[in-house]
Amino acid sequence: DQQVKQNSPSLSVQEGRISILNCDYTNSMFDYFLWYKKYPAEGPTFLISISSIKDKNEDGRFTVFLNKSAKHLSLHIVPSQPGDSAVYFCAASAGNAGNMLTFGGGTRLMVKP
Amino acid sequence: DAMVIQNPRYQVTQFGKPVTLSCSQTLNHNVMYWYQQKSSQAPKLLFHYYDKDFNNEADTPDNFQSRRPNTSFCFLDIRSPGLGDAAMYLCATSGRFNQPQHFGDGTRLSIL
Repeated sequence: DQQVKQNSPSLSVQEGRISILNCDYTNSMFDYFLWYKKYPAEGPTFLISISSIKDKNEDGRFTVFLNKSAKHLSLHIVPSQPGDSAVYFCAASAGNAGNMLTFGGGTRLMVKP
Repeated sequence: DAMVIQNPRYQVTQFGKPVTLSCSQTLNHNVMYWYQQKSSQAPKLLFHYYDKDFNNEADTPDNFQSRRPNTSFCFLDIRSPGLGDAAMYLCATSGRFNQPQHFGDGTRLSIL
């Protein structure tokens, strides 16, 4: 049973436009959400996180939005750059489960020049 | 730079031949994790150490073991690798559970 789902395996965006990556979860106990970025042949790199007490967190070009009622979060990248091309993983954790991360299956983002 | 280092980057072993993957960290983090990632799938947590306390995920096969001799090092031992164990193995660390995890670049394991 996949508790964290990224339903789009890939996304293609033009340079300069907005990239929106989506993530859905089923476990209502999740209270901390993270996005990781992964380049080929490298490990995932932490990008941005959000606690369930917030609905938005922004860091430069990256903004994460959390909709708890819909159990949905999204990562917005504005403006998108070719260097953003990578696989993006959504992850979630629950305080009462020792904060172990549950990952989504990833979305491959391709930003075209 | 403080980092998480995994050796080797690529490991080939024979069916049934024990293999050990290693992970070291210079972050002085309390928690170390091992994940298995198969192609196009989410990383799957195998186990973790909080300091010396070992915690196994319920569905991690007995074939997989881990050792953490000190804060800096953690090893993944696969006692009798099967073809289904071919995957990318990722090591990660965090200072505490509710902090982002820092990943190494992984070891890609192939089974002949």
